[in-house]
Amino acid sequence: GAVVSQHPSWVICKSGTSVKIECRSLDFQATTMFWYRQFPKQSLMLMATSNEGSKATYEQGVEKDKFLINHASLTLSTLTVTSAHPEDSSFYICSAAGTGATNEKLFFGSGTQLSVL
Amino acid sequence: QKEVEQNSGPLSVPEGAIASLNCTYSDRGSQSFFWYRQYSGKSPELIMFIYSNGDKEDGRFTAQLNKASQYVSLLIRDSQPSDSATYLCAVLVLDSWGKLQFGAGTQVVVTP
Repeated sequence: GAVVSQHPSWVICKSGTSVKIECRSLDFQATTMFWYRQFPKQSLMLMATSNEGSKATYEQGVEKDKFLINHASLTLSTLTVTSAHPEDSSFYICSAAGTGATNEKLFFGSGTQLSVL
Repeated sequence: QKEVEQNSGPLSVPEGAIASLNCTYSDRGSQSFFWYRQYSGKSPELIMFIYSNGDKEDGRFTAQLNKASQYVSLLIRDSQPSDSATYLCAVLVLDSWGKLQFGAGTQVVVTP
């Protein structure tokens, strides 16, 4: 079964609304979570790195005020796309990384297809 | 400048044949490399990872790594139609466990 749960799997919203995507690690503590974005026929592009209890680190060109990331616990990170516009329509994927000698795991969520009308 | 490069394809392979996928990377210090398979609209799924020079085999898949040439490849033996997908090469970013840099992916089409 899935060890990283991502929800929702798809969402359609009107332009100007905000959308929250959740990423949960189910059976391990994820000290770090990553958020990727993938446009059609393109590769995964890292948006930000999220560490539990601290501010996310955003990649160059990613607007931190538009893509709000919260990593309040070792099992949950959320990505909120604020005031979404059609150009934000994309496939968003999270991954969760555990650390430590017995917890070096890396798993991907199932992805969220966002369509902004 | 792209740091992980792959041929975009599509790579057309007859059923039962060997599919050969290539990937080059620019950071000479990179240590760990991953091959993911991604079906359309789905999240990537890990096929193999490799960190030592040479070959690593797992079932019908063989990963090959040559750090001197900064080259990693994936061979798929006895290709099946279900292998039709996009294959992503990923490199683990140094000093950052879990942070991957992906290539653009190679689309593989296995024809019956």
